[in-house]
Amino acid sequence: SYELTQPPSVSVSPGQTARITCSGDALPKQYAYWYQQKPGQAPVLVIYKDSERPSGIPERFSGSSSGTTVTLTISGVQAEDEADYYCQSADSSALFGGGTKLTVL
Amino acid sequence: QVTLRESGPALVKPTQTLTLTCTFSGFSLSTSGMCVSWIRQPPGKALEWLARIDWDDDKYYSTSLKTRLTISKDTSKNQVVLTMTNMDPVDTATYYCARTPLDYDSSGYYFDYWGQGTLVTVSS
Repeated sequence: SYELTQPPSVSVSPGQTARITCSGDALPKQYAYWYQQKPGQAPVLVIYKDSERPSGIPERFSGSSSGTTVTLTISGVQAEDEADYYCQSADSSALFGGGTKLTVL
Repeated sequence: QVTLRESGPALVKPTQTLTLTCTFSGFSLSTSGMCVSWIRQPPGKALEWLARIDWDDDKYYSTSLKTRLTISKDTSKNQVVLTMTNMDPVDTATYYCARTPLDYDSSGYYFDYWGQGTLVTVSS
């Protein structure tokens, strides 16, 4: 069955760049979306259609796509960016990746 | 201002049917391209999409849970209802509803506004 694969964890120091990948065979044909989820809170959309940023999301969040892999990049990571991040794609059914815990050292 | 709020029982017994209601404001589910989805998250685990209902009353379900789920809407009340039959302890999770705009360019969709979620525990 189709899956979206993310690394379980990524760690970076404040001010560095964090890159979180998401791989899936359907990604060349489907857009990817990214969500940030902090403990005890609902997810928040941070990237849509591979690389578009919703209003109110800081410019340090960006997305890119290459073949079967999409990447969420957070430039100049801040302590407040520590969270779980999920990728998602959809055709008739929606699918989430397993999530990546971003730790800011 | 778009808001969504989930309501329903916090505790259900195994084999019972769960009924959850999503009450929303700030958008209309009669607008072309607008949908509402249900998504759940077991404690400490990943998000799982469950179902979607569209402005034209089309409905889509998770393949693995299709036989247990029913989604419906009451446009006049701005509500979407999800029922899940034959509840089991593995269904213990926080259940979210989310506004789901369709992307006509790609036929994809995403979740741009979420409710705060409601924790449902399945236990005897």
